[in-house]
Amino acid sequence: EDQVTQSPEALRLQEGESSSLNCSYTVSGLRGLFWYRQDPGKGPEFLFTLYSAGEEKEKERLKATLTKKESFLHITAPKPEDSATYLCAVQASGDKIIFGKGTRLHILP
Amino acid sequence: GAGVSQSPSNKVTEKGKDVELRCDPISGHTALYWYRQSLGQGLEFLIYFQGNSAPDKSGLPSDRFSAERTGGSVSTLTIQRTQQEDSAVYLCASSLAASGGGETQYFGPGTRLLVL
Repeated sequence: EDQVTQSPEALRLQEGESSSLNCSYTVSGLRGLFWYRQDPGKGPEFLFTLYSAGEEKEKERLKATLTKKESFLHITAPKPEDSATYLCAVQASGDKIIFGKGTRLHILP
Repeated sequence: GAGVSQSPSNKVTEKGKDVELRCDPISGHTALYWYRQSLGQGLEFLIYFQGNSAPDKSGLPSDRFSAERTGGSVSTLTIQRTQQEDSAVYLCASSLAASGGGETQYFGPGTRLLVL
């Protein structure tokens, strides 16, 4: 069964304290892995799409990486405005996209 | 508008009533998805449309849920005889295409449904 697991469920960091969020997946035939950011009361906002193992993408303080089993979202020197829930999703064979439950990130000033 | 829009933004209804939720996708996007997000849970896939047809309805939780899309654009999600467990945020997303792999989905702000 296709599955996406995100860890940790919640993470509190001091401003400037770098860390990584994990997304582990088991799917048959990965077609794409997506990272989204979701602020309270809003829909998910697209961050990155990764297609194959070894791929990396960066945007400001965020960098996403992909292996055959997992993806990491690295956050470097985070600021309080980076506080949000980060969602990982995968698209396997077929068109359904499966989401993880997310990691709630809180950056303390 | 430039993004996906959904209406209403909030809906409070009584148990047993029917509700209709609307989604306007980004112009030109052929694929449209409906998800449900309950408090503290991930996004639960409900249904997706490619054009006006729905190849995958496997996520609809019961026969009280139905969806349609007309003109390859607007979609409505209808919940009949609502139950309290239907309370959630219903999110709509659209993408350029569903097939081909890895098409990015762009989400609307959601409709918050509360069934009393």
